[in-house]
Amino acid sequence: AQKVTQAQTEISVVEKEDVTLDCVYETRDTTYYLFWYKQPPSGELVFLIRRNSFDEQNEISGRYSWNFQKSTSSFNFTITASQVVDSAVYFCALRGDSNYKLTFGKGTLLTVNP
Amino acid sequence: GAVVSQHPSWVICKSGTSVKIECRSLDFQATTMFWYRQFPKQSLMLMATSNEGSKATYEQGVEKDKFLINHASLTLSTLTVTSAHPEDSSFYICSARAPQDQPQHFGDGTRLSIL
Repeated sequence: AQKVTQAQTEISVVEKEDVTLDCVYETRDTTYYLFWYKQPPSGELVFLIRRNSFDEQNEISGRYSWNFQKSTSSFNFTITASQVVDSAVYFCALRGDSNYKLTFGKGTLLTVNP
Repeated sequence: GAVVSQHPSWVICKSGTSVKIECRSLDFQATTMFWYRQFPKQSLMLMATSNEGSKATYEQGVEKDKFLINHASLTLSTLTVTSAHPEDSSFYICSARAPQDQPQHFGDGTRLSIL
């Protein structure tokens, strides 16, 4: 069985602060994929990143960065210099190699206050 | 990039009505589509996997007769909520398996409110 845990239900920060969203996963698959999605109040899911289990390199995209550590089964997401527009629910998700089903974490509601 | 269109975006109807939601892949063929349900402030839960030309595969606990899925073409899957009741009110979102192992592409979702 696959499981994704996002222990932080809600986070509130002030604009320009850095914030890290935690994600811990469980899977028995040796090959798997990890994702982060952003869901603004309008509801659509915005794809942010996909990482496969063989690629442990950390990635940076603008103010976003991701830290993938297989040793701790974690795939954390950091927003640097947060902005009000970053306010949304962020979901971490996992997909095994045997099918295309996504298992989502419960999400973290990020509120960035001006 | 690949786009998935979901229609309608918002539905309000009376209890007992059947509601059809469409999910279309606009610029690629999707042999597999997925239907998720999301209650307020909760995560997305997979309801079923829709396969073109064959029966959908439902997740445990999802009523097949309640949530009818049809995937008649490579670009269209439909979810029909039959005889909807207030407890069926939710946010329904579809996704399509994109070609060449790209990430799933999600529709914008449908907010269903049953009065």
